[in-house]
Amino acid sequence: GAVVSQHPSWVICKSGTSVKIECRSLDFQATTMFWYRQFPKQSLMLMATSNEGSKATYEQGVEKDKFLINHASLTLSTLTVTSAHPEDSSFYICSASVAGGRTDTQYFGPGTRLTVL
Amino acid sequence: TQLLEQSPQFLSIQEGENLTVYCNSSSVFSSLQWYRQEPGEGPVLLVTVVTGGEVKKLKRLTFQFGDARKDSSLHITAAQPGDTGLYLCAGLPVYQFYFGTGTSLTVIP
Repeated sequence: GAVVSQHPSWVICKSGTSVKIECRSLDFQATTMFWYRQFPKQSLMLMATSNEGSKATYEQGVEKDKFLINHASLTLSTLTVTSAHPEDSSFYICSASVAGGRTDTQYFGPGTRLTVL
Repeated sequence: TQLLEQSPQFLSIQEGENLTVYCNSSSVFSSLQWYRQEPGEGPVLLVTVVTGGEVKKLKRLTFQFGDARKDSSLHITAAQPGDTGLYLCAGLPVYQFYFGTGTSLTVIP
């Protein structure tokens, strides 16, 4: 089946540093990848949609200069949280779509827990 | 704007009890999905319903899609501690994908 991995699974960093999270589709090529943010016991909030080779589309209220997304290949997308602060602490989840749209089946990664001290 | 409202938001029940989770919207969806998420993990797809009025059963879980394709319900029979988790519905109108507000279920042994 389609497997999506994320690395790291958890990260703790100091305020002001930047953190990079990787999302990989292991056994399929993903035209589109999605990044979500989730707070404890709450639903997933879509942050941005990234298509291979083009700029990411950010949801309203998400700072594109704060959350840098790069989708360099059909199997890898990265989310960089720049100058992280404690309020950026959250669970970040990516998903990958096989056919390329949000209406197609999405396969979710296991998530990355970010804690900013 | 949250298109899909789930109720209840939190639910704590004893093992063996039955429960129903609702997913409601004023929008029409081409299909609707239900996911279950355990703490520290990504969501796992349980079912996709595509036809108005459709009922799907997955062991002790019964999913129903409303006739007008605006709402859905998840019924769990004889809940077990292993059912504990966050249940999310997700609606798929054309070119969009929205998660519901979520229902956190705790089944007490």
